[in-house]
Amino acid sequence: GAVVSQHPSWVICKSGTSVKIECRSLDFQATTMFWYRQFPKQSLMLMATSNEGSKATYEQGVEKDKFLINHASLTLSTLTVTSAHPEDSSFYICSAKKRAAVQWEQFFGPGTRLTVL
Amino acid sequence: QKEVEQNSGPLSVPEGAIASLNCTYSDRGSQSFFWYRQYSGKSPELIMFIYSNGDKEDGRFTAQLNKASQYVSLLIRDSQPSDSATYLCAVKSGATNKLIFGTGTLLAVQP
Repeated sequence: GAVVSQHPSWVICKSGTSVKIECRSLDFQATTMFWYRQFPKQSLMLMATSNEGSKATYEQGVEKDKFLINHASLTLSTLTVTSAHPEDSSFYICSAKKRAAVQWEQFFGPGTRLTVL
Repeated sequence: QKEVEQNSGPLSVPEGAIASLNCTYSDRGSQSFFWYRQYSGKSPELIMFIYSNGDKEDGRFTAQLNKASQYVSLLIRDSQPSDSATYLCAVKSGATNKLIFGTGTLLAVQP
C-alpha cells in the first residue's frame, strides 16, 4: 500500500498564532514529501519540496520563514504556519514519494483545512 | 502562458455518455502526465498516468497523449453521476520530481 495521513484534518486558529500540520507516510518510507496549497476553486500550488534530513526547497513567492518545514524522518514531515493570518486560510495537502519508487510516483494525503479568524 | 491549461468547465454530460477532458502543456521536455480526480473538499486521487504517445486504457478511462501537439486528454466512457468531480491534469517537470497542475475541469454527469 501507499497511505499518507495528515493531522489535523481541519483547524481553526486566531490570527497571529502558529499552526503545525503533520504529514505521515504510514506504510512506506518517503525520502521526499511535497506541500501544496489550494485556495477555493483553484488548482494545487506547490509550496515546497521536503527532503529527509535536509532543508526544504521553497517555490518562488513562498516565504520560508513563515512556512517552516521539517522532514526529520523517512515517514514524517511537518509544516508550521507561523503567525497565521486570514489570508493563509486554505487547504493544505501533502504528498509523499516512495523511497524505492520510480521518480514520479506521489501519493497524496487527505489534506488539512486551515481557517484563520 | 500557463504551464498546464485546462478548460475550467463545467462540462456537463448525460449519464452513459463519453466525457472528454483536455489538457495542454507548455514544457516540451515534460515526460510524464497524470490525471487526478478531486471531489469537493477532498484531496486528489490518481486515476491514470501516461508517458508514451498514444492511448492507454484502464477500465472506463482512456488517457491519450500527443507530445508533438503538447496535448493530453482523458476519456471517460459510460459516465456515471459518481464521476462528477474536478479532474486535474498534472505534468511532471522534465528535470525534477515536481508536478505542475492545471486548474482542473469540473465534470457534471447528469442522471
